[in-house]
Amino acid sequence: EVQLVQSGGGLVQPGGSLRLSCAGSGLSVSGNYMSWVRQAPGKGLEWVSVIYRGGGTQHADSVKGRFTISRDDSRNTLYLQMDSLRTEDAAVYYCASHLVEGLTTYNFFDSWGQGTLVSVSS
Amino acid sequence: IVLTQSPDTLSLSPGERATLSCRASHSINTYLAWYQQKPGQAPRLLIYEASNRATGIPARFSGSGSGTDFTLTISSLESEDFAVYFCQQRRTWPLTFGGGTKIEIK
Repeated sequence: EVQLVQSGGGLVQPGGSLRLSCAGSGLSVSGNYMSWVRQAPGKGLEWVSVIYRGGGTQHADSVKGRFTISRDDSRNTLYLQMDSLRTEDAAVYYCASHLVEGLTTYNFFDSWGQGTLVSVSS
Repeated sequence: IVLTQSPDTLSLSPGERATLSCRASHSINTYLAWYQQKPGQAPRLLIYEASNRATGIPARFSGSGSGTDFTLTISSLESEDFAVYFCQQRRTWPLTFGGGTKIEIK
């Protein structure tokens, strides 16, 4: 059974930093495309960042230059380093693995972490 | 690509048929997924590539459409189906989601 267990998050002041973690079991974080998706309170879903099997990354324009997605293969763990946080970054952050069917990876999300709340306020 | 879902809220009774719409601002072929989200939970993948049910998803859920217009149909609502549903496209980056449709108990 695939499990993604998240940690990190909490309250931070504007301009501050936070690191989110997502530990995988039942799947290889390095062997899959992995993303972070966020959801502001009472709002919809927003894709944030992706890391590919080869290690390449992509970020949404709203976080580019401030957030960094990475992984530790030895720990089978995904990270999101969030710097220069803004009030509009406040949300529940989910890690998610991309759907794999046969030899094809789709940019849809089939396994999700439980979510972690990030609050940005002075 | 902007995804517009309608209606915002659907008030239905158990056993009724639910029809949800997702419209894309540009053609996305069949590169669309549907998710279900319950309060306090992560989303769950229901449908991918517009019409393929994800693993373990009951047959009462079906998806259709291509290009810009897509539909999620729940043939007969069960109590556990009352939730919020989101569509998502993978045609272009950034990946984007619709604003959601809430199915509530009438």
